[in-house]
Amino acid sequence: DTAVSQTPKYLVTQMGNDKSIKCEQNLGHDTMYWYKQDSKKFLKIMFSYNNKELIINETVPNRFSPKSPDKAHLNLHINSLELGDSAVYFCASSQEKVGFGNTIYFGEGSWLTVV
Amino acid sequence: GENVEQHPSTLSVQEGDSAVIKCTYSDSASNYFPWYKQELGKRPQLIIDIRSNVGEKKDQRIAVTLNKTAKHFSLHITETQPEDSAVYFCAASMSFISNFGNEKLTFGTGTRLTIIP
Repeated sequence: DTAVSQTPKYLVTQMGNDKSIKCEQNLGHDTMYWYKQDSKKFLKIMFSYNNKELIINETVPNRFSPKSPDKAHLNLHINSLELGDSAVYFCASSQEKVGFGNTIYFGEGSWLTVV
Repeated sequence: GENVEQHPSTLSVQEGDSAVIKCTYSDSASNYFPWYKQELGKRPQLIIDIRSNVGEKKDQRIAVTLNKTAKHFSLHITETQPEDSAVYFCAASMSFISNFGNEKLTFGTGTRLTIIP
């Protein structure tokens, strides 16, 4: 009964390839996110969606295209992979509590290595 | 946009001693400050959070303090144990009354805490 699940957990691929990471949450949350954690452990938001609508797009190259078929799923497709895309990608979700912040629940992460 | 600075980047303490991690934020409109713990190879998980209407919050061995005037907040872990070894992240965000999904958490750069047995 994993709350936020993402696949694959590990992905090794060559430069120039296109790959996708899938994410699903069973918490009934309205908001989903993609975060990137680089080799120095910096955690940075890439996108957020609320009820399938893109809310935050944090100046990510347009090779990265998120897609949310419904509010429980947020997939990330990456075109023309580059060496610098190697990182851990965390999917996350949250339920807004009006005016007082909300807890973000992270998935297990997808370790992407571009060679 | 918001900028969160976190210190120290690494911290080693003897088991049983206390550990303190400090963060500062730049946007005075930020009103929500969570702390996440990330064990090696695992996902970040919320351990405690504080909202701008309180100055301190405790949960067993963990406490967080917030100074809105100075724009800094701190995590205090008392009676540290080996299982406290992890990377800790502070974060800040501005929570709107509406505009759902636009609550962007800005994370600090992390503190690697090592508890020495």
